[in-house]
Parts: sequence; C-alpha cells; structure tokens
Amino acid sequence: EAGVAQSPRYKIIEKRQSVAFWCNPISGHATLYWYQQILGQGPKLLIQFQNNGVVDDSQLPKDRFSAERLKGVDSTLKIQPAKLEDSAVYLCASSRSGGVAFFGQGTRLTVV
Amino acid sequence: GENVEQHPSTLSVQEGDSAVIKCTYSDSASNYFPWYKQELGKRPQLIIDIRSNVGEKKDQRIAVTLNKTAKHFSLHITETQPEDSAVYFCAAKEDQAGTALIFGKGTTLSVSS
Repeated sequence: EAGVAQSPRYKIIEKRQSVAFWCNPISGHATLYWYQQILGQGPKLLIQFQNNGVVDDSQLPKDRFSAERLKGVDSTLKIQPAKLEDSAVYLCASSRSGGVAFFGQGTRLTVV
Repeated sequence: GENVEQHPSTLSVQEGDSAVIKCTYSDSASNYFPWYKQELGKRPQLIIDIRSNVGEKKDQRIAVTLNKTAKHFSLHITETQPEDSAVYFCAAKEDQAGTALIFGKGTTLSVSS
C-alpha cells in the first residue's frame, strides 16, 4: 500500500510571501489531517477533513492559512502571507474515518 | 478539549536497559492512545497503540499500559538498542470519525552502546 505523499519536501521563502503544500493520502482514506510541527514540539492539528468537508479547523490561523480538499482526495494547504513563526514541518496524515493515522514525510518550511 | 502531557522530555539509557515514557490526558472521552516514533528528518511512525478496553498491550520489546481511572498511559521499551534512539510521541483521541489525535510534546530517547 502506497503511503501518504507530500510535496515539496523543503521550501524556503521570505516573510510575507505565499506558499502552498500538497498532500495525496492513502487510497481509500476518507479522513485527512494537516499538522504543524515546530522544532522540538509535538504535531499540532491545523485542520481535519472528512472526505471533502471540514470537520475541525479551530486551530487554523484563518487570516493567513487556508486548506482545501476539493474532490475528497488530494489536499492543499496555503499560507499567505507567511511569517517567521510559520517555520515548521507541515505534516499530512490520513486515516480510514478516524482510525489509525498514517503520516507523510512532511514539508519543512523555512521563512526568512 | 483534550490536553496531553508527556514526560520526561529527554531520556538517556545504556543499551540493554529499560526505558519508560509517561503521558497523562485530560478528556475522559478519549479511548484511543497510540505511540509514534520519529527519527530525525523522518515521518512519525506508529509503533503501538491501545484502546481503553484493555489495560496492557505488548509487541516484542515494547509495551503500553493504560490506567483509565488515573488518565495516564505509559510506553515501556525493554532491552533497548541504539536503533531505538528517536523522539517518541504519545497521543490521545476519542476513537470515532470526526476526531483527531492530540499529541504530547515528545520524549527524546538516546540509547548509548
């Protein structure tokens, strides 16, 4: 079974620029999560999708972050404009309707 | 909402010793408790999980115990090896669709040979 795919692996941008991350979950997984992992900390949930609907986005800084999962499969997470404190690894995970969550390799974002 | 506390933040052991990492959670509705291992620069990988209908689960050298009354659960690694060196995260959630894992801050385990 193919794992969760994410791209790009690394991204360096200047503050106030925009950036987008892409995630392709495991086939058949209805639930998709985006987590933010700041260096030295545990993953923090940003948003959770069930198929193409948002279940929980209470921790998403909506003034600058947005995410979509239009066809209930792939998802994109966007930051605009980026701040220095957005430097982190952005992890995508998927599960079968809330079961065991499998993570992608993550995108390491550096904002300078 | 759920809050998960994890300790210690760092743990150093000699090869062959045992290692124990402890977590507490706040939401009594949580009933699914996985442990993830994350090596440097890699994705978190599930190593063991437990649901609240059991008190202990073992898989070779690793085991997890759960005390639902006290709201705490622990990871036990026996006969540690250098390849066990990594960051370990505990997490908790209510095991149903529509809920997400809430993670502890992680424990950096170093096993020296």
